[in-house]
Amino acid sequence: DIQMTQSPSSVSASVGDTVTISCRASQGITSWLAWYQQKPGKAPKVLIYTASSLQSGVPSRFSGSGYGTDFTLTISSLQPEDVATYYCQQSNNFPLTFGGGTKVEIK
Amino acid sequence: EVQLLESGGGMVQPGGSLRLSCAASGFTFDNYAMNWVRQAPGKGLEWISGINRSGRGTYYADSVKGRFTISRDTSKNTLYLQMNSLRAEDTALYYCAKGLSSSWQVDCWGQGTLVTVSS
Repeated sequence: DIQMTQSPSSVSASVGDTVTISCRASQGITSWLAWYQQKPGKAPKVLIYTASSLQSGVPSRFSGSGYGTDFTLTISSLQPEDVATYYCQQSNNFPLTFGGGTKVEIK
Repeated sequence: EVQLLESGGGMVQPGGSLRLSCAASGFTFDNYAMNWVRQAPGKGLEWISGINRSGRGTYYADSVKGRFTISRDTSKNTLYLQMNSLRAEDTALYYCAKGLSSSWQVDCWGQGTLVTVSS
């Protein structure tokens, strides 16, 4: 199975800061990586697919990059509504696997 | 508007069975792969099963292989998850999730149905 390792597990930043979340795959997954945002008590929502494509309706302050084994989700200019847990997921191989999540809070 | 509505959750004793359903609307159901993803209380997301557009390709996490069966009924636009031999560690919120375009990435999630396995 492909292991997805996210870091950090939590981050606290000020409104307006840039937040970077990393996701590393245990083997190459080309661009088959998605990022999801989950707010407390809500279902997840896709932000980014195929590593860098922004889902329709998602604010442009979210961006994704990477290929192979190393990926990054960047939130530029953090907003209060961005408080959530963020997950990466690979879909290159079955079983599909998620990272452990990164909790983003406002300082 | 894409909608996924899960049902069938509840409380069941260890060793028991449940069948979850996911009623899909707002898109052409048989054009997309579908998945089940679960989330144990206070924990992260775990993909447990997927089914391709035709229904002939099914995939499972090791944690549920041999106990759970995914299926789809295109005449009813409904996804199913038959869960047998349930264990306490299967307690979770179960989400139905639609595949994105021709891939296994998810672009839409239901609100989930809660399964509690307890004696």
